[in-house]
Amino acid sequence: GAGVSQSPSNKVTEKGKDVELRCDPISGHTALYWYRQRLGQGLEFLIYFQGNSAPDKSGLPSDRFSAERTGESVSTLTIQRTQQEDSAVYLCASSERSGQPQHFGDGTRLSIL
Amino acid sequence: GENVEQHPSTLSVQEGDSAVIKCTYSDSASNYFPWYKQELGKGPQLIIDIRSNVGEKKDQRIAVTLNKTAKHFSLHITETQPEDSAVYFCAATHGSSNTGKLIFGQGTTLQVKP
Repeated sequence: GAGVSQSPSNKVTEKGKDVELRCDPISGHTALYWYRQRLGQGLEFLIYFQGNSAPDKSGLPSDRFSAERTGESVSTLTIQRTQQEDSAVYLCASSERSGQPQHFGDGTRLSIL
Repeated sequence: GENVEQHPSTLSVQEGDSAVIKCTYSDSASNYFPWYKQELGKGPQLIIDIRSNVGEKKDQRIAVTLNKTAKHFSLHITETQPEDSAVYFCAATHGSSNTGKLIFGQGTTLQVKP
């Protein structure tokens, strides 16, 4: 596809369950970012991947959050033992390389009951 | 820590008027400043950006200005149209990082009244 693709678009789950969110970046984009957007707020950086370099995990809010990316392809963001405060839209962005314009997907809206 | 402040939080204008949104940033090492437009249920869409070696950039009805000394930058939309109604976010790169990760403002909800 032409843009960043995220799935699922919506996810409702019970507190304490694990969730996995997926991001397909634009083909050829080596840099990939995850952000979190709480209702009515700006975006908060979570994690960054660039090729096979060590990721920048400095934005992950707790050890319940983790993410993986294999090479320059799909990335998954996993949240274990979900809490109500994890409810937010999780957005993925990719760019040709770090420092270049970031293009966002439409996000996954996560609701924790 | 680094932060970006954005004002106003809401802005209502008549169709055809201009709209201005202002942001200030704290990290003097920030060197890239994008603006995004976000419509309901969609991801942010890049509308214009500026780098620190440029003072102004225009793209049709949209312009961005940057004052590095004062550490602020602004979005100007002229001849506003109802379809410009959306939430607008400014952002700045985290200066001490070479990752390009962005620090976002809190957003401005722009309403253009027909």
